[in-house]
Amino acid sequence: GAGVSQSPSNKVTEKGKDVELRCDPISGHTALYWYRQSLGQGLEFLIYFQGNSAPDKSGLPSDRFSAERTGGSVSTLTIQRTQQEDSAVYLCASSPGRGNTIYFGEGSWLTVV
Amino acid sequence: DQQVKQNSPSLSVQEGRISILNCDYTNSMFDYFLWYKKYPAEGPTFLISISSIKDKNEDGRFTVFLNKSAKHLSLHIVPSQPGDSAVYFCAASRTGNQFYFGTGTSLTVIP
Repeated sequence: GAGVSQSPSNKVTEKGKDVELRCDPISGHTALYWYRQSLGQGLEFLIYFQGNSAPDKSGLPSDRFSAERTGGSVSTLTIQRTQQEDSAVYLCASSPGRGNTIYFGEGSWLTVV
Repeated sequence: DQQVKQNSPSLSVQEGRISILNCDYTNSMFDYFLWYKKYPAEGPTFLISISSIKDKNEDGRFTVFLNKSAKHLSLHIVPSQPGDSAVYFCAASRTGNQFYFGTGTSLTVIP
């Protein structure tokens, strides 16, 4: 597709379960970002992948959060043992490279009950 | 530590008038700045950008101004239209690094 694609668009999970969120960046984009937005909050940086460089994981809130990017394209954000405070919209973005505009997907809305 | 700040959580403007959204940053190494618009239940959409070598960038009704000495940027929308009602985020980065976002300003354009 032409834009950043995220799945699932909505996910309701029970507290303590693991979830995986997927992001397909725009074809050819070397940089990929994960952000999240909790209710009434701004955009919180989680992790940044740039080409083959080591990812910037400085924004991951706890060791329950991890992300990988396979083959320099698709990325998966995994949240283990979900907690209610993990409820948020998780936004993926990609860009052609360093110093470029980033383009967001529609987000994955996670609700932990 | 919030490196990008939008101190006005909301703004209301009459249709046809100018909307001015403000953003401040603390890191003098930031050299690329973006503005996004976000409607409820949608991802942010890119509006306009500016690099630190410029002090102004214009695209149609949208103009971004950058004051590096004050570490301040602003987005001007003129004339404002009801469809501009959304949450606006500014973002800043040092080239090659992550983008830091402000907390957003909710703009309401009153018909």
